[in-house]
Amino acid sequence: GAGVSQSPRYKVTKRGQDVALRCDPISGHVSLYWYRQALGQGPEFLTYFNYEAQQDKSGLPNDRFSAERPEGSISTLTIQRTEQRDSAMYRCASSLEWQAYNEQFFGPGTRLTVL
Amino acid sequence: AQKVTQAQTEISVVEKEDVTLDCVYETRDTTYYLFWYKQPPSGELVFLIRRNSFDEQNEISGRYSWNFQKSTSSFNFTITASQVVDSAVYFCALSEGSGGSNYKLTFGKGTLLTVNP
Repeated sequence: GAGVSQSPRYKVTKRGQDVALRCDPISGHVSLYWYRQALGQGPEFLTYFNYEAQQDKSGLPNDRFSAERPEGSISTLTIQRTEQRDSAMYRCASSLEWQAYNEQFFGPGTRLTVL
Repeated sequence: AQKVTQAQTEISVVEKEDVTLDCVYETRDTTYYLFWYKQPPSGELVFLIRRNSFDEQNEISGRYSWNFQKSTSSFNFTITASQVVDSAVYFCALSEGSGGSNYKLTFGKGTLLTVNP
């Protein structure tokens, strides 16, 4: 596809369940980023990959959150034992390379609601 | 640490008015990049512009213009002759150009612009 795609677009789950959010970056983009956006706020950095290597996971809130990108393309963000405070928009972005001047192209996001 | 402040939470204007969205940033780096993104009601984030810290020339693109002033650490965005389709949340963002976290975008909280017919 032409842009970054994410699935599902909406996810409603019950507290305590695990969820997996998928991101398919633009073909050929080396770098992939995950951000979380609470209502009324700007996106906040969670983690990022160059190829399949997770370079920084300092933004992940706690050890219930994990991410992988095993083949350097599609990435999955997994949240275990979800809590209501995890409810947010989860955005994925990709860029050609990791340098700061590279534009990050964002996907449409996954709206997660934890009941 | 880097920080972006968008002091205007919401702005409401009437169509054809000019409107300026403010952005103030903080960084210790001498090399950095500033961005503006648009988030329309449909929810996607759309890239508008990127400026680097060495280029203080103002930029104009159609009805959009950007005023970058290092002296005041500001990167303001002006829409001339606003239209209803400009209604969106606008985010200013910063990325440091050196150091260990030069891939990370730090966003402001956004400004909700409503253009009324």
